Amino acid sequence: QVHLVESGGGVVQPGRSLRLSCAASGFVFSVYSIHWVRQVPGKELEWVAVISIPDTNLFYSDSVKGRFTISRDNSKNTVYLQMNTLRPEDTAVYYCARGADLGGHPTQDYWGQGTLVSVSS
Amino acid sequence: DIQMTQSPSTLSASVGDRVTITCRASQSISSYLAWYQQRPGKAPKLLIYKASSLQSGVPSRFSGGGSGTEFTLTISSLQPDDVATYYCQQYDDYWTFGQGTKVDIK
Repeated sequence: QVHLVESGGGVVQPGRSLRLSCAASGFVFSVYSIHWVRQVPGKELEWVAVISIPDTNLFYSDSVKGRFTISRDNSKNTVYLQMNTLRPEDTAVYYCARGADLGGHPTQDYWGQGTLVSVSS
Repeated sequence: DIQMTQSPSTLSASVGDRVTITCRASQSISSYLAWYQQRPGKAPKLLIYKASSLQSGVPSRFSGGGSGTEFTLTISSLQPDDVATYYCQQYDDYWTFGQGTKVDIK
């Protein structure tokens, strides 16, 4: 059974940093890409970043490019999202999701339960 | 960037009703369209991919259609368990979501 668990969220002041983790189980982690998607409570979903396989290419949304870094440790079945220079508009629930090739292009098939990041002074 | 627009924003229907949600893309996305269900306080769940392919384990009352720029999600017989917000997503060029359609029981 595919299982993704996010951790590391919390309250942080503007300009500070936070690192989120996504621990995966129930599938062969090393052959799947992993995404981060965020959601301001009550609002729509926004794709944030992906770390792909097998070439470990990294892609980011324009809203976080240059401030956030996605990485993975296949020995720990874990993906990280390092978030620097945080802004109030980064406040959201952050989900990690498994990427799968669905009909020729990849998208997210299984999601974790999310971790809340609140950026406030 | 490809923009996704859903209608309606909210929908109230009776148990057993057939309901349809529409999603429009700002440019052609072929059939790279997914639908997700998000129950209150829960993570999104994939229902449909490639516009009309039903994800494993999803009830057959859910169906999807369309191609190019116009897509639909249909629930053939609305059930209490279907109360949720539904999002379309294009995955032709990166990933963008619609603003969501909240479905509840009348």
